[in-house]
Amino acid sequence: DTAVSQTPKYLVTQMGNDKSIKCEQNLGHDTMYWYKQDSKKFLKIMFSYNNKELIINETVPNRFSPKSPDKAHLNLHINSLELGDSAVYFCASSQAGGLAGLRNTGELFFGEGSRLTVL
Amino acid sequence: RKEVEQDPGPFNVPEGATVAFNCTYSNSASQSFFWYRQDCRKEPKLLMSVYSSGNEDGRFTAQLNRASQYISLLIRDSKLSDSATYLCVVNNTPHQAGTALIFGKGTTLSVSS
Repeated sequence: DTAVSQTPKYLVTQMGNDKSIKCEQNLGHDTMYWYKQDSKKFLKIMFSYNNKELIINETVPNRFSPKSPDKAHLNLHINSLELGDSAVYFCASSQAGGLAGLRNTGELFFGEGSRLTVL
Repeated sequence: RKEVEQDPGPFNVPEGATVAFNCTYSNSASQSFFWYRQDCRKEPKLLMSVYSSGNEDGRFTAQLNRASQYISLLIRDSKLSDSATYLCVVNNTPHQAGTALIFGKGTTLSVSS
């Protein structure tokens, strides 16, 4: 069983479209994240949710809207896609609200990534 | 200045070589440090934590120098399977809500036979 799963794995779309990426974790973790890895391989935090509550919201265009229906799911919706949005988007989860879990083990469990290409 | 800086490489070494990666971080208040490994077109995975006293896991040794804000990873007796990108990772605010891991850009290692 995949611990953190995200869909779709690949997404090719036109500029201006709206798309969503879904993420689910079956690890029982409290905290979930969205990271973006651009063409230069730089992995950057976008959002974090702890028990469905938004706790990190980095400087990201408001075209990006995360949504967490429950603590096992964190989806990412992107409006009006732009060329610069092309990247790999990684969902991740950690135990104990990003506090004790990360402090103690530093372990983020990542999904396999969703490769978004905007044409 | 970037929060976490690494030499991007690539480091091309033969099997059996010893290779060292360095990393510097900008926030002197950083508390927790890690090395992650990312294979080509795969997700990052935790390799090891880095403790103040230094720590070892098999062929891998991690060191931390808080005064210099410097982290290192040493790989001994390199294997072909060690070929990957090694990401230096810092957790700046482990005692606050909303903390997240800050990743360096990674150092690419290629081990050849």
